[in-house]
Amino acid sequence: QVQLVESGGGVVQPGGSLRLSCAASGFPFSSYGMHWVRQAPGKGLEWVAVTSYDGVHKFYGDSVKGRFTVSRDNLRNTLYVQLNRLRPEDTAVYYCALGGYTSGWYSDGFDSWGQGTPVIVSS
Amino acid sequence: DVAVTQSPLSLPVTLGQSASISCRSSQSLEYSDGTIYLNWFQQRPGQSPRRLIYKVSDRDSGVPERFSGSGSGTDFTLKISRVEAEDVGVYYCMLGKYWPPTYSFGQGTKLEIK
Repeated sequence: QVQLVESGGGVVQPGGSLRLSCAASGFPFSSYGMHWVRQAPGKGLEWVAVTSYDGVHKFYGDSVKGRFTVSRDNLRNTLYVQLNRLRPEDTAVYYCALGGYTSGWYSDGFDSWGQGTPVIVSS
Repeated sequence: DVAVTQSPLSLPVTLGQSASISCRSSQSLEYSDGTIYLNWFQQRPGQSPRRLIYKVSDRDSGVPERFSGSGSGTDFTLKISRVEAEDVGVYYCMLGKYWPPTYSFGQGTKLEIK
């Protein structure tokens, strides 16, 4: 079955950087789009980024555009997000979520989620 | 940008009664083939979100038939028939817009047992 395991979260100072990882198993990773979604403490869900199955196409939410970079390694079945120029408002649990299959990589998905990794931006 | 508004934000329900959650978008996102990429998610306390409904009314595998989605245009509804204790949590709608891809979540509706 699909398994998504995030890691790399922690405490970082404002202006700092962090790289999160999402290890995937149980499905043909290289055929699926992948998302990052975050949830600030006590708040709702916010979409962060999506990458196509081949990593060619990448799109971001307005609040992270220019600061976050999504990438993937299809040989290692791992999704990444590089968080740069972090702000206190980036404090959240970051989830990876399954996207759609091949040509539906951006329109389908969100049917499997990881357990999340927390990021705290504080001095 | 597409704004997605849920109501109510808090929903106290008696066990065995039904519950309905509304989700409205600021614009219609029906594609040429008639598809609207409107999903519903359940997030139980301390857990990751779980997709319940996709493309407005298709129920995910393993989701009880008590959960149903409906709607068209800019107005959508999640209905839960015969609410059970395990249904407690926060429910979110999410609308996908393409191209370029962007995804907008509603604020969430907290369902609790009276």
